[in-house]
Amino acid sequence: DAGITQSPRHKVTETGTPVTLRCHQTENHRYMYWYRQDPGHGLRLIHYSYGVKDTDKGEVSDGYSVSRSKTEDFLLTLESATSSQTSVYFCAISEGTANTIYFGEGSWLTVV
Amino acid sequence: GENVEQHPSTLSVQEGDSAVIKCTYSDSASNYFPWYKQELGKGPQLIIDIRSNVGEKKDQRIAVTLNKTAKHFSLHITETQPEDSAVYFCAAREHNNDMRFGAGTRLTVKP
Repeated sequence: DAGITQSPRHKVTETGTPVTLRCHQTENHRYMYWYRQDPGHGLRLIHYSYGVKDTDKGEVSDGYSVSRSKTEDFLLTLESATSSQTSVYFCAISEGTANTIYFGEGSWLTVV
Repeated sequence: GENVEQHPSTLSVQEGDSAVIKCTYSDSASNYFPWYKQELGKGPQLIIDIRSNVGEKKDQRIAVTLNKTAKHFSLHITETQPEDSAVYFCAAREHNNDMRFGAGTRLTVKP
């Protein structure tokens, strides 16, 4: 299994509160990604990083921000959580854009 | 951007039978096509992938075929076993672009 750890694995939060999900990798891969998974939509890219402090938006980036201060850590922040952000969030890594993407085990977020 | 459609959304087969899942993509520049298996409560795991310079690839009971002209690719699982039951996702990516995923197929293998 790829060395990816997500935390927390499960969280319930209230609408309007800030939430941060953490992804930690031990593979020293350059690229890190945050995806969300919803029924009927597969996996959709939120943001990705191609190096320390280098990030870019994905398909569904509104309402999310990310930060990468170290190669091994990639944080996803919901500044003010909404019920539409209830989802399963997956962190992923790859060595490069032409390489395989490996996924973490997921973080289940419920916004009530 | 790329759009990937996956069919069927659910598939039920008897143990020992074959299962086929099909995907179509829209961007002719896409050149990498992985397949992932996701078990309940876990993250997607890569099971096989194919690049656009290859028409078919096999790994034991799993095979993937690619038709670039028609822009579709398929996953074939032979001699299915109950442990093959999971959700399968196809994906397509153009170099330097993000990976686009199909909506998934829930495969059930009945013993």
